[in-house]
Amino acid sequence: SSELTQDPAVSVALGQTVRITCQGDSLRSYYASWYQQKPGQAPVLVIYGKNNRPSGIPDRFSGSSSGNTASLTITGAQAEDEADYYCNSRDSSGNPWVFGGGTKLTVL
Amino acid sequence: QVQLQESGPGLVKPSETLSLTCAVSGYSISSGYYWGWIRQPPGKGLEWIGSIYHSGSTYYNPSLKSRVTISVDTSKNQFSLKLSSVTAADTAVYYCARHSDYYDSNFNFDYWGQGTLVTVSS
Repeated sequence: SSELTQDPAVSVALGQTVRITCQGDSLRSYYASWYQQKPGQAPVLVIYGKNNRPSGIPDRFSGSSSGNTASLTITGAQAEDEADYYCNSRDSSGNPWVFGGGTKLTVL
Repeated sequence: QVQLQESGPGLVKPSETLSLTCAVSGYSISSGYYWGWIRQPPGKGLEWIGSIYHSGSTYYNPSLKSRVTISVDTSKNQFSLKLSSVTAADTAVYYCARHSDYYDSNFNFDYWGQGTLVTVSS
């Protein structure tokens, strides 16, 4: 079982705001990174560190953290944001290669 | 633009060794960063397999460590994965990716290959 826990599925109405969460004890000490994966495609980095977006990622994507929970927020969700989202951070030993189980986002 | 491309057999027999190569373009492996392998069984989540630095230093997922070997060829700007004694449970899309330093507080996998499906079946 993963040391990072995500809700399996989340839905949001078009244009509304949605928060996707990732829980784990290591998140009290370390940042998470977030990846968007559309069907048949490779994951794409959308957020890393405290709240950093790679070039080309829309500013409607943002990241935050509180206690043992990291969050990815999409403000004004678009149809093209429908995808699976994975968080990544460190395990209890500090190794940085643990992924959450993923959250399937549906845009209604 | 950094690009990664996986290559290798799409079908491997049980008990045999899975071998994949990741060719990197747009960036010299010798310039830095780590280079890793991640897999995704059909319909399931992501699992990190292991990573290598250009010096040859490696990190492996403890659950796979006994079967995994990752190597790098800086002259060809590519790195490779070998997974021995495969079973049907190793059927997955295998991705190669670049990631930041192990100690980077902003750790991330910033470039990924398109992935290659490897099926383990007789």
